[in-house]
Amino acid sequence: RKEVEQDPGPFNVPEGATVAFNCTYSNSASQSFFWYRQDCRKEPKLLMSVYSSGNEDGRFTAQLNRASQYISLLIRDSKLSDSATYLCVVNPQGAQKLVFGQGTRLTINP
Amino acid sequence: GAGVSQSPRYKVAKRGQDVALRCDPISGHVSLFWYQQALGQGPEFLTYFQNEAQLDKSGLPSDRFFAERPEGSVSTLKIQRTQQEDSAVYLCASSPLTSNYGYTFGSGTRLTVV
Repeated sequence: RKEVEQDPGPFNVPEGATVAFNCTYSNSASQSFFWYRQDCRKEPKLLMSVYSSGNEDGRFTAQLNRASQYISLLIRDSKLSDSATYLCVVNPQGAQKLVFGQGTRLTINP
Repeated sequence: GAGVSQSPRYKVAKRGQDVALRCDPISGHVSLFWYQQALGQGPEFLTYFQNEAQLDKSGLPSDRFFAERPEGSVSTLKIQRTQQEDSAVYLCASSPLTSNYGYTFGSGTRLTVV
């Protein structure tokens, strides 16, 4: 079983729609959680950190459920520029590294 | 420089050839990481440096892979006797802290072994 699992998609949604991504992680001792965004043939870039209380950044909302070891990302009012691959990322406790999920590919259609 | 610089941007190697990939982190960044990203997959951790010390090399897939950061700045990832399964994008990231916050990735080196 992979340490971080995501639905690879692809997700194709119309502009303006709300889309949700889910992710599960296997290491219950993981301490930090992130969503990264990766455009085609580009490097990953931090989209947002994920906190236990849930956090929002504009149209983006991230949630963490430690009991279920589950992370989510919600994008409201999606834009064409949101088309990218979204990577769920976990930092295992005591490790100086990030563990990435496979990524979920999102395409927003006009 | 303003960001993490990696060179070459693209590398085609014949099977069995040795390659060296370079990473120039952001000046002053303590932590440096190498990741391997295969097509359609997320990046996978290879190795971690804190200044010149290689503190974690648990992700290196075989003894053909070797990384160094002798002066705590520029790092080189060397792959000996390349094989087709080594074809991937190799990403370098640096961070000013001894943590996973403030990560900046370079654009990567796309290695194709033919």
